[in-house]
Amino acid sequence: AQSVTQLDSHVSVSEGTPVLLRCNYSSSYSPSLFWYVQHPNKGLQLLLKYTSAATLVKGINGFEAEFKKSETSFHLTKPSAHMSDAAEYFCVVSDQRNDKIIFGKGTRLHILP
Amino acid sequence: GAVVSQHPSWVICKSGTSVKIECRSLDFQATTMFWYRQFPKQSLMLMATSNEGSKATYEQGVEKDKFLINHASLTLSTLTVTSAHPEDSSFYICSATLTGGLETQYFGPGTRLLVL
Repeated sequence: AQSVTQLDSHVSVSEGTPVLLRCNYSSSYSPSLFWYVQHPNKGLQLLLKYTSAATLVKGINGFEAEFKKSETSFHLTKPSAHMSDAAEYFCVVSDQRNDKIIFGKGTRLHILP
Repeated sequence: GAVVSQHPSWVICKSGTSVKIECRSLDFQATTMFWYRQFPKQSLMLMATSNEGSKATYEQGVEKDKFLINHASLTLSTLTVTSAHPEDSSFYICSATLTGGLETQYFGPGTRLLVL
């Protein structure tokens, strides 16, 4: 069975400081992993995805995530936060064998001026 | 990039009425569309997978007679909440995929439904 856990419901960082949004997953098979961002009144936007290629995945807007199988983690990072990064972020796991997709509960990122 | 729209963006209705939500892929043909429901401060829950010209596949626990899905063309899928009740109030989000797989979905902006 698949599951995904976003460890923090809210994260606050100051503008210009690093961002870390944590995600742990469980999957019976080789998973595909995604991070999506949801801005108010806008559709979910794909930030990046891991599909069994390079373990360090670079996405849009300066975000990246590292797939660590030993830790079953796929944490999202960004070196320097920008005010426009304030949004809800979802970690998603997809099992390539059964096509099931599971969303995490989301992490609200707040950027302090 | 690929754009998906939803209409209406929000709707308020009386209990017992039916509400139709449209999901359109504006600049591509979507072989598969997905419907999600999002409760406040919770994650998205997949309700059903819709393939053009065939019956939707519903996730366990989702009433197909309650949530009618029609995918009549490659650019339009509709979700009708029949005989809506206050517990159906939620944020409904659709997504569309070019390839038919889950790996690259383009999401609509969502529809907020409030049933009084």
